[in-house]
Amino acid sequence: GAGVSQSPRYKVAKRGQDVALRCDPISGHVSLFWYQQALGQGPEFLTYFQNEAQLDKSGLPSDRFFAERPEGSVSTLKIQRTQQEDSAVYLCASSPYRGSSYEQYFGPGTRLTVT
Amino acid sequence: GESVGLHLPTLSVQEGDNSIINCAYSNSASDYFIWYKQESGKGPQFIIDIRSNMDKRQGQRVTVLLNKTVKHLSLQIAATQPGDSAVYFCAEKKGDSGAGSYQLTFGKGTKLSVIP
Repeated sequence: GAGVSQSPRYKVAKRGQDVALRCDPISGHVSLFWYQQALGQGPEFLTYFQNEAQLDKSGLPSDRFFAERPEGSVSTLKIQRTQQEDSAVYLCASSPYRGSSYEQYFGPGTRLTVT
Repeated sequence: GESVGLHLPTLSVQEGDNSIINCAYSNSASDYFIWYKQESGKGPQFIIDIRSNMDKRQGQRVTVLLNKTVKHLSLQIAATQPGDSAVYFCAEKKGDSGAGSYQLTFGKGTKLSVIP
């Protein structure tokens, strides 16, 4: 079946622009996670949704970052007034279970480059 | 703060040999550990996981060992193949309650290169 998909795969933004990154999780998956992966580093947790509820957003680096999952399926990560330090790969993962004590299925990521 | 880290950033092995990738963790409250494989341009792919009430778990060609006494995790890959070449990450999750219980904390990764 279809895995987690993300779009766009690549995004170039000028500093100060707003961007929106989309995640389509595996159908029926309850949990959805967003991670930020800098070059040469491991993924870092940004936020967690259980269905439509955002239960943990403690990893969002600033109030310029906003995530939503209004109907409990597709999620969007929005970054306002992008800065160069926002350049990274943004990964989305989903899981059929609640919480993070189980395998998470990752998408291919969106590579964001801020110029 | 507490974090997951890896002893070796790179590892080169001959095809057919066994590989061992090590990981140290410092959070004694962690109760779930997982290994992911990440190929260039792709998202992490699940390899194997282990809960804190276990010391060892085996999968197909892979074994994870957990030593809670010294807070050490290892991934063993038997008969390493060229397709195993990738970056390997360990990750940990704190206990089921409290702040951060939804979070996986990843290490920096070890790059495994298999020499044909």
